Formats: sequence, structure tokens, C-alpha cells
Amino acid sequence: GEDVEQSLFLSVREGDSSVINCTYTDSSSTYLYWYKQEPGAGLQLLTYIFSNMDMKQDQRLTVLLNKKDKHLSLRIADTQTGDSAIYFCAEILNSGYALNFGKGTSLLVTP
Amino acid sequence: DTGVSQDPRHKITKRGQNVTFRCDPISEHNRLYWYRQTLGQGPEFLTYFQNEAQLEKSRLLSDRFSAERPKGSFSTLEIQRTEQGDSAMYLCASSPILDSLGQYFGPGTRLTVT
Repeated sequence: GEDVEQSLFLSVREGDSSVINCTYTDSSSTYLYWYKQEPGAGLQLLTYIFSNMDMKQDQRLTVLLNKKDKHLSLRIADTQTGDSAIYFCAEILNSGYALNFGKGTSLLVTP
Repeated sequence: DTGVSQDPRHKITKRGQNVTFRCDPISEHNRLYWYRQTLGQGPEFLTYFQNEAQLEKSRLLSDRFSAERPKGSFSTLEIQRTEQGDSAMYLCASSPILDSLGQYFGPGTRLTVT
């Protein structure tokens, strides 16, 4: 299948905002997701956005969706060292159940 | 803890051996998924169950792979005649019938084929 694209690395200072970008492939995706994976751990569902929304805010997380460009972003406000992890965006494919993941963005938060 | 559990967490096997992994989903979730993740990649979809019915299999799931969910609760994934290319993290996820709530992943089983 086609690739969901994400930049591979991002480094920010503690307290700054982080913005992780993603370009997805399926314009008919009804839901788009952000997952977090810490070393040696499974994937933790962070948040999702329905395709008819432009923005969703959940505490320190803000998701922006641009359907025209098939662009999704995750903003983490006041980034902490505990936010260091790999972040994956995922689209739900036309089948309605399989998730198509990007390769992940490795976020490093430095003190 | 009522999350998705997987067993074993690690498996080392010799090439040509058969291996079986188990997944216990969140109890009220009737959908169950298997994914495979290799180093530096995102998870790739393998197969999907709704209750006990296997409704979709990816082309990644070769003839050597078989998955079951006999009573619509736990699931097993078996790999026969393992090859070195099968070395990966095998992830199980479950979800309720309402897709919007997302898929919840277990910790994974890391398979190493020597």
C-alpha cells in the first residue's frame, strides 16, 4: 500500500512545544490516530480525530487536520522529558478496520 | 490490569521450528487484530477477527502463518517453519465495535529466529 509519511526525528527543549507532522494517503479515512511508543513497550493510543473535524484539543495535545492536503499534525505543549518516545500517526483504511501506520517520529526532549 | 495481554513476551527459536503466540484482548472488545513491527517501521496489519470470525488477512500473512480465535475471546498466532525474516515484534490489538475509539495494543511478543 501507499506510505504514510512522517519526519523521522525531532528534538526539542523541555518546556517548548513540539509539532509532529504526518501526511496520510487515504482521503476517505474516517478517523486518524496518534500513538506513542516508548522503548520496549507497546503502542499507547494518545488521541484521534474524526475526519469532519479540523482541530481537536486534549489537555496538552492539539491535533490539526487538513483534509485537502491530507495533512495531520500533533502539537504537544510544554513538552516534558517523559514525552520522549516514538510517535506514530495512523489512518484507518477503506476496509474500516486495518490501521496504516507511518514509520514514526522519534521525539527527543532535552533538559 | 484490564489491558491487552500477550504471551510470551519474548521468544527465541531456531529456523524451521514452529512457534505460537497468544493474545488476550480487553474483555468487552469483540474485534481483535494482529500486526507485525520490524525495527524502524510502524506496525503492519496482518489479520482481523470480529468475534470468532477471521474477516481479513493481509498478503503479508503467508501460508506458514495461521491465526485463530476459537471462542471469540483469546487468539493465537502460529508461525510454521520459521525463517529469519520472521524475526519481528508481533503486536495484538483489540477494539470495541465502535471504530472511533481506536485500537488498544498489547505489549507485543518479540520473536527472534536464529
